[in-house]
Amino acid sequence: GENVEQHPSTLSVQEGDSAVIKCTYSDSASNYFPWYKQELGKRPQLIIDIRSNVGEKKDQRIAVTLNKTAKHFSLHITETQPEDSAVYFCAAIVGGATNKLIFGTGTLLAVQP
Amino acid sequence: DAGITQSPRHKVTETGTPVTLRCHQTENHRYMYWYRQDPGHGLRLIHYSYGVKDTDKGEVSDGYSVSRSKTEDFLLTLESATSSQTSVYFCAIGLAGGTDTQYFGPGTRLTVL
Repeated sequence: GENVEQHPSTLSVQEGDSAVIKCTYSDSASNYFPWYKQELGKRPQLIIDIRSNVGEKKDQRIAVTLNKTAKHFSLHITETQPEDSAVYFCAAIVGGATNKLIFGTGTLLAVQP
Repeated sequence: DAGITQSPRHKVTETGTPVTLRCHQTENHRYMYWYRQDPGHGLRLIHYSYGVKDTDKGEVSDGYSVSRSKTEDFLLTLESATSSQTSVYFCAIGLAGGTDTQYFGPGTRLTVL
């Protein structure tokens, strides 16, 4: 069925390094791709999103890129800080149903001081 | 955080008993969602609502039912709880279905013994 694959499942970086998380989706009709951050014991919160009419979007140290041809999108975090440590989820609309998001399985990012 | 509350926040129950989880919002958002979160599976959509008395199934709807009699309340019922339904349940709300920000509630940790 339609799904969203996310890699890697865990990522450890040194403070100040960059981190990249990649997701692929199966539905070519998908047109909205959000990223959520979930700190330990907290609720998921939207950090950035991108729509299919643009290829890249930036917000300070966070950026998302989208390759519609290859059906993948990536989250880039530069100059990582310990407070970036969390689980990150990508998501996409699949199956032509614009009311539903399908989430990836998550990436646990650990930023080592 | 958006005005979303979930009750109860924690519940322990026995196999075969009925369980109802409540999501309450004060934001007057049209869309409401129920997800479950399990290690290795990310966030999986159970059911969602696109208006009062309007609901639809998600990825993992078997064993769950929902009701929405008022804009502000969305109930999730496990008719006969099983151990496989032990999970953290998140409610979310949104203005524009899957193509816009979803705001998550604080979560309910359910344990079925």
